[in-house]
Amino acid sequence: KAGVTQTPRYLIKTRGQQVTLSCSPISGHRSVSWYQQTPGQGLQFLFEYFSETQRNKGNFPGRFSGRQFSNSRSEMNVSTLELGDSALYLCASSLGQGANNEQFFGPGTRLTVL
Amino acid sequence: GDSVTQMEGPVTLSEEAFLTINCTYTATGYPSLFWYVQYPGEGLQLLLKATKADDKGSNKGFEATYRKETTSFHLEKGSVQVSDSAVYFCALSAPGSARQLTFGSGTQLTVLP
Repeated sequence: KAGVTQTPRYLIKTRGQQVTLSCSPISGHRSVSWYQQTPGQGLQFLFEYFSETQRNKGNFPGRFSGRQFSNSRSEMNVSTLELGDSALYLCASSLGQGANNEQFFGPGTRLTVL
Repeated sequence: GDSVTQMEGPVTLSEEAFLTINCTYTATGYPSLFWYVQYPGEGLQLLLKATKADDKGSNKGFEATYRKETTSFHLEKGSVQVSDSAVYFCALSAPGSARQLTFGSGTQLTVLP
């Protein structure tokens, strides 16, 4: 079974631009979560989508948004990019049902903001 | 809010040495606890987990026991290998928020031959 895939793997943008990252979950998984990983703040939860609905949201500004499609693929968007948005963005998928189902992580998208 | 405090790194060990990485948490109720590993250039892989007090998670020679009384989930391995070199993250998920993980800061482990 194919794992979680994220595209693109690397991205370079300039301040003020916007960016869209994509995540394809494992087949059959209906939940997708997004995390930001930086050297200073570590791993922080952005949001989770299940059946096209946002179910949880972390403490990030409104410039960070996401959505999920009917095939469970998810995108996250960051508008008006800032230097501090440079990070590894990780996506994780899970079945989405049951209290403790495992999350499987993708390899991440490395975003650099210049 | 919930938080995870993890042993500061980096940690450097010789092959076959004993490994302990300390992890303590703050959470209400009974969270689930996890150890994830991240190899260079890759995403996170679940190493082991425990969902209730006194549970022991184990995988690939690594072990961790959920200690409610000390709010700890320390990672141990009796004999490390060079291939264990990676960054290790302790994490928790609160009851009712199974897919929202709170992570520790990570511990870089380097094993020398």
